[in-house]
Amino acid sequence: DAGVIQSPRHEVTEMGQEVTLRCKPISGHDYLFWYRQTMMRGLELLIYFNNNVPIDDSGMPEDRFSAKMPNASFSTLKIQPSEPRDSAVYFCASSSQGALLYEQYFGPGTRLTVT
Amino acid sequence: DQQVKQNSPSLSVQEGRISILNCDYTNSMFDYFLWYKKYPAEGPTFLISISSIKDKNEDGRFTVFLNKSAKHLSLHIVPSQPGDSAVYFCAASTYGGATNKLIFGTGTLLAVQP
Repeated sequence: DAGVIQSPRHEVTEMGQEVTLRCKPISGHDYLFWYRQTMMRGLELLIYFNNNVPIDDSGMPEDRFSAKMPNASFSTLKIQPSEPRDSAVYFCASSSQGALLYEQYFGPGTRLTVT
Repeated sequence: DQQVKQNSPSLSVQEGRISILNCDYTNSMFDYFLWYKKYPAEGPTFLISISSIKDKNEDGRFTVFLNKSAKHLSLHIVPSQPGDSAVYFCAASTYGGATNKLIFGTGTLLAVQP
């Protein structure tokens, strides 16, 4: 299995631009999570999906952030417009209710830099 | 409001000695805890977990201890090896909930010196 795939691995953009991060979860997993890692707050859960349906988006910082999961094999996290404080590493993770309880499989992350 | 806290941002240990990483939580509803390990430029990977019905879980060189009354858990690595150098995240969740949502701490960077 290829694991969780994220693209791009690095993204540098200017303030005000739209940014789209992509994730392909592990086949058969029915949960998908988006996290943001910063020094100050560690790993923050932004939003998660179950069977392609958003369950909890309480961690999404503001309306500039949106996430979609059009099918079981693809999800996007969009920031529009981007700001310098959005600079962080964004991780996607997936898991299965049938797997080791609460073990989530993370992708390699996307390092976002907003100048 | 940080429900899971790792108050030591970094820890340095000599190879062969014990590494002890600490984690505190505030939510008494948490009853399942995990440790994840993260190398640079990679995503976190699951290391070890413990349910609140236990106070200790061991897996090879790694042992997690849980003190529910103190709302504290720790990860012991014995003996420490240079390959253990990584960021360690503590995470917590509520077992039996409708989700497997995890709340992570800020992480502790462990450096094992040869």
